[in-house]
Amino acid sequence: AQSVTQPDIHITVSEGASLELRCNYSYGATPYLFWYVQSPGQGLQLLLKYFSGDTLVQGIKGFEAEFKRSQSSFNLRKPSVHWSDAAEYFCAVGATNFGNEKLTFGTGTRLTIIP
Amino acid sequence: SQTIHQWPATLVQPVGSPLSLECTVEGTSNPNLYWYRQAAGRGLQLLFYSVGIGQISSEVPQNLSASRPQDRQFILSSKKLLLSDSGFYLCAWVGGQGNTIYFGEGSWLTVV
Repeated sequence: AQSVTQPDIHITVSEGASLELRCNYSYGATPYLFWYVQSPGQGLQLLLKYFSGDTLVQGIKGFEAEFKRSQSSFNLRKPSVHWSDAAEYFCAVGATNFGNEKLTFGTGTRLTIIP
Repeated sequence: SQTIHQWPATLVQPVGSPLSLECTVEGTSNPNLYWYRQAAGRGLQLLFYSVGIGQISSEVPQNLSASRPQDRQFILSSKKLLLSDSGFYLCAWVGGQGNTIYFGEGSWLTVV
C-alpha cells in the first residue's frame, strides 16, 4: 500500500528566507505526486504535480518540487517566502494504474512566517 | 471551466441528529467524486468515492454513508451523529491531466 511521510509537523521561517518542506513516499511503481496548500478554514488548492518527465516541476505562487526516485522524495521548495505563504501544506501520492481513487495524503506541515 | 461547490460551509449539530452535506460539480460529466475528512491535527482520510450514479465505495467503516443520486451530485449523510464525526469534510473530483484531484471549499462540522 502507498504511504506518505511529512516528517516536519511545524516549520517556522522568516519572511524572505528560503523554504524546503520534506515529503517521502512509499509506492511500488512510478507514483503520481502532488503538493496541496490549505489556508485556515479553507479547502485544498493544488500547488503542483508530478507525473513523468522532468523531475523538477514548477507550480503556482513560485513553488517548485523535485522528484528524486532514489530517495523516494518529493520535497517542496521556494527561494523566498512571503507572509501569505503561511498555511498547511500536504504532500500526496496517487496510484498510476487505476487513476487517483486511492490518493494518499501525508499528515501535513504547518508553515509559520515570522517578520 | 469546472467548479465544485459544497454546502453548508459550517454546521453545528447535536449528538444523535442527522447529517446531510451536499456537493455538486459543474462543467464536467461523469466525474469521479470523493469525500474526505480532516480531523483536528490530522491529515486527510478518504471516506467514500464514486465512479458513477449509484456507485459508492467506502474506504473505512464508520457512522457515515454517501449517495450519488445524479451524475454531478454527491451527498454525505448520517442518521445519528457521534461526537467523533466532528471535522472538516472535503468533497473532491478528478479531472484534468493525470486524474488530478480538485477540492471544494470544505464543510466544518461540529457535533455537540
